[in-house]
Amino acid sequence: DVQLVESGGGLVQPGGSLRLSCVASGFTFSSYEMNWFRQAPGKGLEWVSYIGSNGISIYYADSLKGRFTISRDNAKNSLFLQMISLRADDTAVYYCASRALTTSDGFDVWGHGTIVTVSS
Amino acid sequence: SYELTQPLSVSVSPGQTATITCSGHELGEKYVCWYQQKSGQSPVLVIHQDDKRPAGIPERFSGSNSGNTATLTISGTQAMDEADYYCQAWESTSVVFGGGTKLTVL
Repeated sequence: DVQLVESGGGLVQPGGSLRLSCVASGFTFSSYEMNWFRQAPGKGLEWVSYIGSNGISIYYADSLKGRFTISRDNAKNSLFLQMISLRADDTAVYYCASRALTTSDGFDVWGHGTIVTVSS
Repeated sequence: SYELTQPLSVSVSPGQTATITCSGHELGEKYVCWYQQKSGQSPVLVIHQDDKRPAGIPERFSGSNSGNTATLTISGTQAMDEADYYCQAWESTSVVFGGGTKLTVL
């Protein structure tokens, strides 16, 4: 079965750092574009970052540039999100998702999410 | 920055047709996707490329996109369709979501 499993979330103090991971299984990870999204409590979906299948093309939401870094290790079927200088408004469920894995477009496979709480 | 606007809420009776709109400047020139998110769950892609249903999505879900408005239509709405729905498009190298519409099946 196609599956994405996030980990690495937790409670972190303002100004702290955290590294999220997303492990893929059931498909050829190296062939697909990947993304991070987040959803603050009671709020809508927000796109965080995109990375191309070979890791060369990388895009970020304008509001996050400079604090978040996306990367991937195709040999380990893993996607990462390094987050620094975390703020209270970064508190959210963070999801990884593939693009156009089972369809020709759209974010079609999502993980279950990992919760990041930024609080003192 | 590009914005997509959705109604906050839509209500529908079981068996009736639910229509959720998504508005954006010249949205018809972009591909639109729609996601369903039930309470406490991850989003699910229900429509991609304006009007295509992924495998496993019921035929009662359909989409269209023209001018400045994309529309998600759920025909014969069922109680299980109660969820938040988000439209999404690409603007250059950024992904944009609408604010979400809460669909209530009364």
